Amino acid sequence: DADVTQTPRNRITKTGKRIMLECSQTKGHDRMYWYRQDPGLGLRLIYYSFDVKDINKGEISDGYSVSRQAQAKFSLSLESAIPNQTALYFCATSAAPGQGGPLYNEQFFGPGTRLTVL
Amino acid sequence: AQSVTQPDIHITVSEGASLELRCNYSYGATPYLFWYVQSPGQGLQLLLKYFSGDTLVQGIKGFEAEFKRSQSSFNLRKPSVHWSDAAEYFCAVGATGGYNKLIFGAGTRLAVHP
Repeated sequence: DADVTQTPRNRITKTGKRIMLECSQTKGHDRMYWYRQDPGLGLRLIYYSFDVKDINKGEISDGYSVSRQAQAKFSLSLESAIPNQTALYFCATSAAPGQGGPLYNEQFFGPGTRLTVL
Repeated sequence: AQSVTQPDIHITVSEGASLELRCNYSYGATPYLFWYVQSPGQGLQLLLKYFSGDTLVQGIKGFEAEFKRSQSSFNLRKPSVHWSDAAEYFCAVGATGGYNKLIFGAGTRLAVHP
């Protein structure tokens, strides 16, 4: 079974609709992230969470909200979808840095959700 | 501001040929550098990373990368490309302030001709 799962994998919706993308992980990681990928722009961070009580905005959080329901679950919502939110969305997880260890640990990515807003 | 530049949007190579994908970063301190690969329909997979020490790092699938501080570069190389290497490759740098935030380049899409 995949360590990081995302549902749905594909979604087509209309402008103004509310959409929720879900992410679950079985890696036991504290840290979770939501990115969007657009052609020619790479991945950009939307929100990140270091634990259930800690949620932070990334570089492009406008128009999005998140919920960390449990250590293993991190959902991304589009309250009122618009066409320029059409993109590929990725969830990722990482372990917190260990004491005295490097500041960065590998991020593990889900398979992505392709969202189209008409 | 920190940034990552991947100058080549698309690269096409023949199977068996060598490969070098370029990555330049802008970062004030010692960078944490990563290369990820995204195969069609898949999420991103870590190929290799550089934190410190030996500037030539080995990764999975026969890839290696060399950190050159003087050139602010972290280029990815493979001596002989296989058709299965066709994918999109992303270079990333750890953002200031830690917290495991990564800044990604725009990606390089690799096509492999038989």
